[in-house]
Amino acid sequence: SQQGEEDPQALSIQEGENATMNCSYKTSINNLQWYRQNSGRGLVHLILIRSNEREKHSGRLRVTLDTSKKSSSLLITASRAADTASYFCATGSNQAGTALIFGKGTTLSVSS
Amino acid sequence: NAGVMQNPRHLVRRRGQEARLRCSPMKGHSHVYWYRQLPEEGLKFMVYLQKENIIDESGMPKERFSAEFPKEGPSILRIQQVVRGDSAAYFCASSPGTGFGTEAFFGQGTRLTVV
Repeated sequence: SQQGEEDPQALSIQEGENATMNCSYKTSINNLQWYRQNSGRGLVHLILIRSNEREKHSGRLRVTLDTSKKSSSLLITASRAADTASYFCATGSNQAGTALIFGKGTTLSVSS
Repeated sequence: NAGVMQNPRHLVRRRGQEARLRCSPMKGHSHVYWYRQLPEEGLKFMVYLQKENIIDESGMPKERFSAEFPKEGPSILRIQQVVRGDSAAYFCASSPGTGFGTEAFFGQGTRLTVV
């Protein structure tokens, strides 16, 4: 079953612009993670934010989490052509026996 | 420390044949997860295993699919009597701890094509 739903499905921007992707989920979570997937490749972990955190930064990435609205956003600042990829949010629990549940992803295209 | 290793990277099978996908988790990781990704879609959870145990197989089709993670050796996802609808990318991930309080490390995937 899908847990996270990313919005928009696709996003096209110019280099230097900021890209914002949103993720909504349905059930209670312990943490939310964002992953990146280049075409034809595996997923690479970008950032993890725990349910008791509201905002987290990593380089040009900024993630926010609003547990009351069950939503998260990923902001990529000063985008580059190399940021072109699909971005997925995944929700996780620290309960034994549970796995990350992924959304369908946002496809980001950054043109130079 | 090698990452999660999946092989083969590409696998072509005729309808009715068996497909075996292998996954070696990162060193020190005892938790393995298998996901399936159809073109233009996200990852669908299939099964979660620890050494010698299946913890959650709620995402596995009831027939033809099985998974194991033996005490020694890689985890194996086995698909019997493959059909065209099984064509997809299959990803394996591993983690060190219980549940997902930490990140998952993914392999490069096995792309299965059924002809």
